[in-house]
Amino acid sequence: RKEVEQDPGPFNVPEGATVAFNCTYSNSASQSFFWYRQDCRKEPKLLMSVYSSGNEDGRFTAQLNRASQYISLLIRDSKLSDSATYLCVVIPSGSARQLTFGSGTQLTVLP
Amino acid sequence: DGGITQSPKYLFRKEGQNVTLSCEQNLNHDAMYWYRQDPGQGLRLIYYSQIVNDFQKGDIAEGYSVSREKKESFPLTVTSAQKNPTAFYLCASSDRPIGNQPQHFGDGTRLSIL
Repeated sequence: RKEVEQDPGPFNVPEGATVAFNCTYSNSASQSFFWYRQDCRKEPKLLMSVYSSGNEDGRFTAQLNRASQYISLLIRDSKLSDSATYLCVVIPSGSARQLTFGSGTQLTVLP
Repeated sequence: DGGITQSPKYLFRKEGQNVTLSCEQNLNHDAMYWYRQDPGQGLRLIYYSQIVNDFQKGDIAEGYSVSREKKESFPLTVTSAQKNPTAFYLCASSDRPIGNQPQHFGDGTRLSIL
């Protein structure tokens, strides 16, 4: 089983739709979680951290479910500019290997 | 502006040749990382360094080498032993090597075989 798994998609949604991605992780001792956004042929950029209590940044909401070992990203009122690949990142505690990246979920927002 | 600079943006390697990818950061970050990304796949860790003069192998270190002689620099050499070097290489840094600090990435180097 992969340490971090994401549905690769693609998710094709109309502009204005709400879309959600999940990311499951296998290491129950994982401590820190992030969502990154990667545009085609570009580097990943930090979108938001994921806190235990859940957090929101504008149209984006991130949540953590430790019991079921997944994190989620919700995008409301999606824009054309939201089209990208979204990578979840997990930091396992006690691991010297640092971050573990999911393979990414591809989102295309259609006009 | 503070950030991570990778060069070159595009690089071509001949058979049997070693090539070196540059990564420089002016963020005063302690930790630096090298990742490889293949089309449609996630990032895989090649090497990382938590402090000057120290570095550790990641998941796919075979065929690669690194050095960390200065805090701001972490060059990656792709040796001739790496038989499938064509990929997108990303360098990253973080403020602390262990903890909840996110990584910041350079804009990558695309390596291809001639």
